[in-house]
Amino acid sequence: GENVEQHPSTLSVQEGDSAVIKCTYSDSASNYFPWYKQELGKRPQLIIDIRSNVGEKKDQRIAVTLNKTAKHFSLHITETQPEDSAVYFCAASRGGTSYGKLTFGQGTILTVHP
Amino acid sequence: DAGVTQSPTHLIKTRGQQVTLRCSPISGHKSVSWYQQVLGQGPQFIFQYYEKEERGRGNFPDRFSARQFPNYSSELNVNALLLGDSALYLCASSFVLQGNQPQHFGDGTRLSIL
Repeated sequence: GENVEQHPSTLSVQEGDSAVIKCTYSDSASNYFPWYKQELGKRPQLIIDIRSNVGEKKDQRIAVTLNKTAKHFSLHITETQPEDSAVYFCAASRGGTSYGKLTFGQGTILTVHP
Repeated sequence: DAGVTQSPTHLIKTRGQQVTLRCSPISGHKSVSWYQQVLGQGPQFIFQYYEKEERGRGNFPDRFSARQFPNYSSELNVNALLLGDSALYLCASSFVLQGNQPQHFGDGTRLSIL
């Protein structure tokens, strides 16, 4: 089955700096890659996603890049703010007619210091 | 519009008991998935239901079962509870079955086994 590895497990940055979180996946049939932000005691919130027919997607301060050949994808947050502090999870799933099982990474605890 | 709603928010049970968790998807969403999130880890896929049929099952024992109702709401049942079943149980809904569509999570049910 699919295996998703996420690094780093913790990331500490100063406000205004950039943060990058990287994930690798094992199943070459995976073609959908969402990122979730989970604040303490709250639901995982979908912040951005990318499909395998696209190499990069950007939404304001957040961007995701995908390298299908190397089977890795990354989340980039620019101009970080204290409210960006949370646990971030990457995930992967197959598309098409397959069911929607998301396989998650282990999570990255991001701390943005004011 | 209401998001995914889950009940109860917290539950305390003892070993050997049985529990039923409930989920109402976003209006118009026909697919419901269940995930288990142990503290400090990413969510693990348990089941996906679409149009009242089980469409996917993760690596969980037969003590875990679920069903989906005509209004697309869902229940997760866990029998013969073990200490290791203590976790946050998350429900996610999506518009369709396919794995390359966004899944939106509820706040979860925090299950504690004594």
